[in-house]
Amino acid sequence: SQQGEEDPQALSIQEGENATMNCSYKTSINNLQWYRQNSGRGLVHLILIRSNEREKHSGRLRVTLDTSKKSSSLLITASRAADTASYFCATDGTSGSRLTFGEGTQLTVNP
Amino acid sequence: EAQVTQNPRYLITVTGKKLTVTCSQNMNHEYMSWYRQDPGLGLRQIYYSMNVEVTDKGDVPEGYKVSRKEKRNFPLILESPSPNQTSLYFCASSPRQFQNIQYFGAGTRLSVL
Repeated sequence: SQQGEEDPQALSIQEGENATMNCSYKTSINNLQWYRQNSGRGLVHLILIRSNEREKHSGRLRVTLDTSKKSSSLLITASRAADTASYFCATDGTSGSRLTFGEGTQLTVNP
Repeated sequence: EAQVTQNPRYLITVTGKKLTVTCSQNMNHEYMSWYRQDPGLGLRQIYYSMNVEVTDKGDVPEGYKVSRKEKRNFPLILESPSPNQTSLYFCASSPRQFQNIQYFGAGTRLSVL
């Protein structure tokens, strides 16, 4: 069963703009991860945020987590054409469930 | 270099012809997993393995088999492939199942005619 759901499904922006993607999930989690996938390639881990954390930064990435709303957001600042990819959130539940992925947000950054 | 290696990268086969997709990791990870990715359905887990000789079904195990005889290898077996198994397949590994980064292979694009 898919726990995480990303929103929007697709996002198109201009280079230099910020991109925000959202993820909602249904049950309590231990942590939430964001992955990136270039077209047809394997997923690459970007950042992990634990359930007791509210915000985390890594370079141009900023992730927030609101466990009361069961949602997370991924912000990419000053986007570049090379950021064009699909972005997935993944959650693992406190009940010991497996890591489950959402369907992803397709981000296109136009030069 | 730490990596997860899948072979083959591309495969075209016919219905009913048994095939194996290999997966190998060089990071001494305990946990390994297979996913399939289909448009509009995201990544769905097929099977996973917590350690050698320990495997379990994921969300979509029908039509697939796996084995984990060695820590580094986790092959995916399609005994009698069907067209609905046409998909992009990914193998992944991590040190532990939870709260750990998963490392993905480059993917295997399978077409069953």
